[in-house]
Amino acid sequence: ETGVTQTPRHLVMGMTNKKSLKCEQHLGHNAMYWYKQSAKKPLELMFVYSLEERVENNSVPSRFSPECPNSSHLFLHLHTLQPEDSALYLCASSQAQGWTEAFFGQGTRLTVV
Amino acid sequence: KQEVTQIPAALSVPEGENLVLNCSFTDSAIYNLQWFRQDPGKGLTSLLLIQSSQREQTSGRLNASLDKSSGRSTLYIAASQPGDSATYLCAARDSGGGADGLTFGKGTHLIIQP
Repeated sequence: ETGVTQTPRHLVMGMTNKKSLKCEQHLGHNAMYWYKQSAKKPLELMFVYSLEERVENNSVPSRFSPECPNSSHLFLHLHTLQPEDSALYLCASSQAQGWTEAFFGQGTRLTVV
Repeated sequence: KQEVTQIPAALSVPEGENLVLNCSFTDSAIYNLQWFRQDPGKGLTSLLLIQSSQREQTSGRLNASLDKSSGRSTLYIAASQPGDSATYLCAARDSGGGADGLTFGKGTHLIIQP
């Protein structure tokens, strides 16, 4: 248990569906992150939120839409995805200052059919 | 742009051996470097965090070192056990300011043979 919880753990969706991934942290952190992990590639940073404001969008397609309603919750809204978007999506949290440890959730395994 | 490389990509050793995993990064302007462990299909478990001002950190059988000037970090695992089998990832946090994300290497897939 890392203090970061992601739901659902597994998700299968069609290309025309709309779904959302949820992340919640119980560590009192004020920065949250979405990462994508595809086979044979390093983890890729998608979005960074600091103090509930988005501070970085790593050129992610608009079919991925993040939402951070408060410092403990982070969502990733998905719509009209492509099969190549199938991957493990990981959420992480830390303090906004760069010198603190990052903690990750267990991830959501997404399959787009 | 920061790039992180891990060598070797895969390693298989008998139980009980001491081993070293290597990580290099191209931009030495980092806040810290973090080592993680990932079991198949699971999330990341933080192992050690080394601040840019530190030379090494130890936790149990694990020791991580950092040479920021040369852009290198190593993870030393003593007396390896089958339970250590996993993928080990290193990640650098750049000092660009704000809540910067981590830049990851591709990992070292480690198998400890019983």
